[in-house]
Order: sequence, then C-alpha cells, then structure tokens
Amino acid sequence: DAGVIQSPRHEVTEMGQEVTLRCKPISGHNSLFWYRQTMMRGLELLIYFNNNVPIDDSGMPEDRFSAKMPNASFSTLKIQPSEPRDSAVYFCASTRDRSEKLFFGSGTQLSVL
Amino acid sequence: SQKIEQNSEALNIQEGKTATLTCNYTNYSPAYLQWYRQDPGRGPVFLLLIRENEKEKRKERLKVTFDTTLKQSLFHITASQPADSATYLCALDGGFQKLVFGTGTRLLVSP
Repeated sequence: DAGVIQSPRHEVTEMGQEVTLRCKPISGHNSLFWYRQTMMRGLELLIYFNNNVPIDDSGMPEDRFSAKMPNASFSTLKIQPSEPRDSAVYFCASTRDRSEKLFFGSGTQLSVL
Repeated sequence: SQKIEQNSEALNIQEGKTATLTCNYTNYSPAYLQWYRQDPGRGPVFLLLIRENEKEKRKERLKVTFDTTLKQSLFHITASQPADSATYLCALDGGFQKLVFGTGTRLLVSP
C-alpha cells in the first residue's frame, strides 16, 4: 500500500493566487481529514469527510478555503485568494470507519509570499 | 475553553534513560487518547491508543498511562535511543470522529 499521497510536496505562490492541494487516501479508507500545522498553533483540523460527504468544516478559517471530495480516492483543498498567513504545512489523513487511528500523508509545505 | 497542553520545551535525555512526556487536557471528555510520532518533513505516525477505561498500555519500549481524573496522559520510552529523537504528539477524541492534537514535545536523545 502506497499510503496517503499528497501533492505537491512544496508550493510557493504569491499573495492573491489560487492554490490547490491534492490528496489520495489509502484505498478502502472512507474517512478523510485535512489538517494544517504551524509552529504557533500545532495541528488544526480544517475539515473532514466520511464516505465523500463533508461532515464538519468548522475548522475552515474563512470562505477563502474550500474542500471537495468528488470520489473515494481523491480530495482537494483550495485557497482562493491565498494570503501570507496561510503559509503552513497542510496534511491529509485517512482512516476506516470505526478505526480511530489516522494515517497521514507527508504534507504540502505552502509558502505564500 | 478546550485545551490540550504538552511541554513546548524540548526534552533532552541521555541514551539508555527513560523519557517521560506529559499531555494535559481541559474541558474534554475523551473516550480515548492517542500518541503519534512526527519526524521533520514527515506526517505524524500513530504509536499507541489508550481508552478511558484503561489505566496503562504498553508496546515494546513504549508505555502510556491515562488518568481521567487528573486529565493527564504520560508517555514513556524506556531504554531510549538516538533514533527515538522526534516530536511526539498527543491527540484525543474531540467527539464525532474528530481527533484534536496537542502542539507536541520534541525529544532529543543524545548518545
């Protein structure tokens, strides 16, 4: 199993540009989570999906952030327009139903200049 | 407000000693608590899960305790090795399948 796959690994963009982060969960996992990690705030849950349906997006910072899961093997997190304070590492994680432990991808390091 | 607190200062110990990391929480009633390891440039990796009705759990050189009265978990690594150097994160059940993480404690094991 390849694990959770995220792309790109690094993204450098200018303020105001649209950024799209991608995630492929582990096959057979039906819950998917997007987290953001910064030194100051640690790992923050942004949104999670169960069976491709968004269950809780209360962690999404503002309307500039949106996430989709069009099918069981793909999810995107989009920031439009991006701002310097969005700079962080964004992680995707997946798990099966009734399994509490998460499997994380390697993350996307986002820098907004 | 809800908080999960881990010591933000790095823990430096010598090889062979036992490392003990602390996780305290307030205003949560977790059904379980987990510990993850994170290496630089990588995502967190699951280590152990302990449930609210369990006092202690062990896995090889790792031991976790969970005190729901004190609202605290302790994470021990016995016979520590330089390869154990990493950041260790505690995470707890925040309800509705949400896993809420502490900010982590960096462990440095010197030879």
